[in-house]
Amino acid sequence: DQQVKQNSPSLSVQEGRISILNCDYTNSMFDYFLWYKKYPAEGPTFLISISSIKDKNEDGRFTVFLNKSAKHLSLHIVPSQPGDSAVYFCAAIGGTSYGKLTFGQGTILTVHP
Amino acid sequence: ETGVTQTPRHLVMGMTNKKSLKCEQHLGHNAMYWYKQSAKKPLELMFVYSLEERVENNSVPSRFSPECPNSSHLFLHLHTLQPEDSALYLCASSTRDGPYEQYFGPGTRLTVT
Repeated sequence: DQQVKQNSPSLSVQEGRISILNCDYTNSMFDYFLWYKKYPAEGPTFLISISSIKDKNEDGRFTVFLNKSAKHLSLHIVPSQPGDSAVYFCAAIGGTSYGKLTFGQGTILTVHP
Repeated sequence: ETGVTQTPRHLVMGMTNKKSLKCEQHLGHNAMYWYKQSAKKPLELMFVYSLEERVENNSVPSRFSPECPNSSHLFLHLHTLQPEDSALYLCASSTRDGPYEQYFGPGTRLTVT
């Protein structure tokens, strides 16, 4: 049973446009959410996070939105750049599950020049 | 060295071999993690160490044996592995009591022949 799902395996976007990556979760105990970016042959790199007490967090070109009622979060990248091409993972943690990040399957983002 | 380092980056081993993966973090963190990433699967948490004590063992077979001699070092000892254990093994670290962001090493690409 997968508690964090990224239903789009891939996304293709033109440079300068917005990239929207989506993530759904089923466990209502999750109260902290993170996005990671991964290049081939490297480990995941932390991008941005959001606590369940917020519905939006912004850091430069990256914004994460959280809709608790829908158990849905999204990552917006504006404007998208070719260097953003990577695999993006969402992750969640909460309750007493200390240290246990639960990851989605990842979405491959390709930004075309 | 900065961040989280892992050695070796690539490892090929036979099913009867014994080998060890090494992880070192230079971030002053006090929690460390082993993850497994298989093709087309989400990252799977294997082990969690907090203050050098194992706090989580996610039903991992005994042919994987972790060791955490201090808060900066983490090992994964491997013996009598199976071909299906071939995967990318990632180490991560974080602070024990939050924030929850985990910082990953580059991984060890393991192939079991």
